[in-house]
Amino acid sequence: QKEVEQDPGPLSVPEGAIVSLNCTYSNSAFQYFMWYRQYSRKGPELLMYTYSSGNKEDGRFTAQVDKSSKYISLFIRDSQPSDSATYLCAMSEDDYKLSFGAGTTVTVRA
Amino acid sequence: NAGVTQTPKFQVLKTGQSMTLQCAQDMNHNSMYWYRQDPGMGLRLIYYSASEGTTDKGEVPNGYNVSRLNKREFSLRLESAAPSQTSVYFCASTGTGGRGYTFGSGTRLTVV
Repeated sequence: QKEVEQDPGPLSVPEGAIVSLNCTYSNSAFQYFMWYRQYSRKGPELLMYTYSSGNKEDGRFTAQVDKSSKYISLFIRDSQPSDSATYLCAMSEDDYKLSFGAGTTVTVRA
Repeated sequence: NAGVTQTPKFQVLKTGQSMTLQCAQDMNHNSMYWYRQDPGMGLRLIYYSASEGTTDKGEVPNGYNVSRLNKREFSLRLESAAPSQTSVYFCASTGTGGRGYTFGSGTRLTVV
């Protein structure tokens, strides 16, 4: 069993829809949680960063962490074609060595 | 532009050849990392350097060596390339406060 599980999709939604992404994990010591966005043939870029449980909102993006269920989510509201990318969850015990999910490929149709 | 620079961007090697992937960051970050990315596998840690002068193995270190040349530079060496090392390699760095990595743009390596 992988330490971090993420459904690879692909996920295709119409423009304006809400995109819902999630990851589960097995290591209860994880306390730093991140989402990265990766465009085709580019390096990942940090999208959201949260510490411990709770919600964090940044514009159209909301990250949720439920440590009791070992489950994290990313929601994208009012999705745009420019949101088409692969989204990677990542988590860490110490905020230095990250463990990544496999990534979910999202396509937003105009 | 500030960030992480990787060279080369593309490389084709024959089985058994050696090569070094270069990485440099100009953000004064202490920690640097090498990951490989394969379809369906996500990013897997090869080696990392928590600070200048230290290196440690990650999840998939076999067949690789690293050198932390100075605070800015962290290189990855394949001594005898194998087809299983065909992948996209990413270098990343993070500062003292953590809060996520800055990644380079990657090196696409094909071993034939």
